[in-house]
Amino acid sequence: DIQLTQSPSSLSASVGDRVTITCRASQSIRTYLNWYQIQEGKAPRLLIYAASSLQSGVPSRFSGRGSGTDFTLTISALQPEDFATYYCQQTYTTWTFGQGTKVEIK
Amino acid sequence: QVQLQESGPGLVKSSETLSLICNVSGDSISSSYWGWIRQSPGKGLEWIGYIYDSGGATYNPSLKSRVTIFADTSKNELSLKVDSMTAADTAVYFCARLVVADNWYFDLWGRGTLVTVSS
Repeated sequence: DIQLTQSPSSLSASVGDRVTITCRASQSIRTYLNWYQIQEGKAPRLLIYAASSLQSGVPSRFSGRGSGTDFTLTISALQPEDFATYYCQQTYTTWTFGQGTKVEIK
Repeated sequence: QVQLQESGPGLVKSSETLSLICNVSGDSISSSYWGWIRQSPGKGLEWIGYIYDSGGATYNPSLKSRVTIFADTSKNELSLKVDSMTAADTAVYFCARLVVADNWYFDLWGRGTLVTVSS
């Protein structure tokens, strides 16, 4: 199976900060990469699909880049509602997820 | 608006079969693909499988021998069965709608239901 490694595993940031999360695949997955946000007790939320396409209704402060093996999710100016855990997912072969990045309040 | 709601027993005994239901409102399960995903402390998020055309299914090879996904179109519900449950199957189980395009992705999820396996 393709392994997805996210970094960092957790980070502390302040409201207004720019935050970047990295997802690295163990082999090329072209742009078959999605990003999700999970907050406890809430339904997971799709943020980005196909590496860089913003899901309808998701604020434009979220953006995704990358192809092949290296991908990033960037939040341009962190808002209070963005404190959550973020996961990447590949759908190139047997679907797998990264281990998650927890974004905490500094 | 489309909503998904998982339901199940909460607690199952080791070696028993888990049965979960996902009720879908605002969309017909006949017109989309639908999947199950779980989140456990030990393995993080894990894709279980998906169903299409209300009958065909594709499963994660690591779970394929123990998992069945099926649909009840009369109730607009999906179901998940997992046989021979062990402690490693303790997790929050989510159902989600799957968008099938150039890329595949889960665009809508339920809140999930916690399943604990006891010995």
